[in-house]
Amino acid sequence: QLQLQESGPGLVKPSETLSLTCTVSGGSISSSSYYWGWIRQPPGKGLEWIGSIYYSGSTYYNPSLKSRVTMSLDTSKNQFSLKLTSVTAADTAVYYCARYISGSWDVWGQGITVTVSS
Amino acid sequence: QSALTQPASVSGSPGQSITISCTGTSSDVGTYNLVSWYQHHPGKAPQLMIYEGTKRPSGVSNRFSGSKSGNTASLTISGLQAEDEADYYCCSYAGSSTWVFGGGTKLTVL
Repeated sequence: QLQLQESGPGLVKPSETLSLTCTVSGGSISSSSYYWGWIRQPPGKGLEWIGSIYYSGSTYYNPSLKSRVTMSLDTSKNQFSLKLTSVTAADTAVYYCARYISGSWDVWGQGITVTVSS
Repeated sequence: QSALTQPASVSGSPGQSITISCTGTSSDVGTYNLVSWYQHHPGKAPQLMIYEGTKRPSGVSNRFSGSKSGNTASLTISGLQAEDEADYYCCSYAGSSTWVFGGGTKLTVL
């Protein structure tokens, strides 16, 4: 059964870079036709798609975050990662990694809370 | 890319039916039959309830159903149960490998 697990620091200082990793178990991130994505939920707000990376390595980002986001795949570790630069308090959120296939985000990680504060 | 529009809250009594709407544009909901719905209990991972507008994943109760008309998708829950109380989000493919979520709807079972 496919499982995803987010990891990374829970506290990031303003203006610094937020770095998260999603470890995939029970399946390969190199399998064709999958997108791997990051989605976040700020406190008291709804879900926001941050970006996705295709199994081939092609990346796609939310236009509102595009200038600050970088995603990558590490097939040797079966992981994909998110980097968000120049963070502010507005980037405080629960960050989820997820898999997209057949019209849905069908498998999600449990989420990781990231707080931006000095 | 603007968030899809959902009502902030809906409520219903056990056994009743409720419908949650999700309004987008001709660039997302109106063009693609790729709307999905998620149930989210606080502190847990969102759970897929409906995909491709009307399809239910294995294991999801047939009390959950989806539909679409024009730029608006809908999620209907029939025979409401206490365990259905949660936040619900819609999501639509928006072209060029991008996606957009709705603002979420809090369902209260009275």
